[in-house]
Amino acid sequence: QSVLTQPPSVSAAPGQEVTISCAGSSSNIGNNYVSWYQQLPGTAPKLLIYENRRRPSGIPDRFSGSKSGTSATLGITGLQTGDEADYYCGTWDRSLSGVVFGGGTKLTVL
Amino acid sequence: EVQLLESGGGLVQPGGSLRLSCAASGFTFRNYVMNWVRQAPGKGLEWVSGVSGSGGVTYYADSVKGRFIISRDNSKNTLSLQMSSLRADDSAVYYCARDPEGTYEDFDYWGQGTLVTVSS
Repeated sequence: QSVLTQPPSVSAAPGQEVTISCAGSSSNIGNNYVSWYQQLPGTAPKLLIYENRRRPSGIPDRFSGSKSGTSATLGITGLQTGDEADYYCGTWDRSLSGVVFGGGTKLTVL
Repeated sequence: EVQLLESGGGLVQPGGSLRLSCAASGFTFRNYVMNWVRQAPGKGLEWVSGVSGSGGVTYYADSVKGRFIISRDNSKNTLSLQMSSLRADDSAVYYCARDPEGTYEDFDYWGQGTLVTVSS
C-alpha cells in the first residue's frame, strides 16, 4: 500500500487528453513540492514535472502539473502512442522522514 | 553530460550481503544529494535511502533501516549501498538518482539500474 494514491490505470484515444491524480496528506503533498516521472517499458524513470508544475528542459508542454491541498494532478494533452508508460508521483514525507511515491498509473493510448 | 552508472547487482542467497556502486560523471558530485530507489519486478518505485553531499546526513526507508548503509566517496564520485541480511523481498532493480535541490522532492537524473536477486 503506497503512501500516495494513484489510479492503477487510465486510458484515452490518440489526440485526447488525460489526467492522473495523486492523493496524499498534510505530511507529504500538503507541505512539499510534488514531482512526476514517466517510465517507459524497460527503462529508468524520467523526470517529467518538478515543483508541482515546472517542466525540465526538453519536456513538451503537453505535460502539465498542478497541486491543490493534499492532492496533485498530472495532465497530458495531445496523447501519442509513445506516451504509453507508467507514471509516478513522488515527494518528501516529513512524518516518515523519507521519500514517498505513488503506486504508479499505467497509461494506455487506445 | 550527466551520467550515473550502477554496478554490483547479482544473485545472492537470503541472509547474504551485497554492495552496489554508482559511478557519477558530468557534474560536481559533492554538491548533490544522492539516492537509491528500487523497483521489484512488476511493481512500483520504492525509495530506499538518501545521503547529503558531504555524506554526513543519511535517510533510510523503514524497510531497510538497520540492514542497508548508504555512503559516498566524493574523491571518486561514487555512491554506494551496502546491503546485508538480504531477504527475498529485497529483490529489485536498484537505481541511483540525483536530487537537484537537496530537498528530496524530485530526482532529475537516474541510472539504468542494477538487478539484485535474493534467492536460494
